[in-house]
Amino acid sequence: EIVMTQSPATLSLSPGERATLSCRASQSVSSDLAWYQQKPGQAPRVLIYGASSRATDIPARFSGSGSGTEFTLTISSLQSEDFAVYYCQHYNNWPRTFGQGTKVEIK
Amino acid sequence: EVQLVESGGGLVQPGGSLRLSCAASGFTFSDHWMSWVRQAPGKGLEWVANINPHGYEKNCVDSVKGRFTISRDNAKNSLYLQMNTLRVEDTAVYYCARGGNSPGFWGQGTLVTVSS
Repeated sequence: EIVMTQSPATLSLSPGERATLSCRASQSVSSDLAWYQQKPGQAPRVLIYGASSRATDIPARFSGSGSGTEFTLTISSLQSEDFAVYYCQHYNNWPRTFGQGTKVEIK
Repeated sequence: EVQLVESGGGLVQPGGSLRLSCAASGFTFSDHWMSWVRQAPGKGLEWVANINPHGYEKNCVDSVKGRFTISRDNAKNSLYLQMNTLRVEDTAVYYCARGGNSPGFWGQGTLVTVSS
């Protein structure tokens, strides 16, 4: 099983600031990596797939990069609606596994 | 509009069974992989199982293998998760999702509570 490790666990930032979230895979997943946003009481929403492709209707302030074992989700300028928990997830093989999440909170 | 509506959750005793259903609409169900993903209260996400469009290729995470079975009925646009020999640690919100890799559509989830 591929273990996905996210850092940091919590990111405290102000609106307008840049957020950089990291995700590391225990072995190469190529570019088979997705990022999700989840708000309290809601289902996850896919932001990025293929490590760097934005999903439908996702704002351009969200971007993904990386391949192999190291990945980054960047939110260029945080909006109030972006404060949430973010998960990375690989789909290179079975089982699909998620990272433990990074909470982006208002500073 | 794509819609996924889960049902069948509830309170069950350890060792009991439940069958979750997911009613799909707004897209051609038989064209898509489908998945179940769960989230224990206050915890992260765990991918439980997925199934290919025709239902003959299935995957289950080791923690549920031999206890949970994913299935689908394309004529009814429905996805199922039969859960047997439930354990306390199976307590979670169970989400139905469209896709087998990076699902773009999710239901709102159904809560399964395993407790005596």
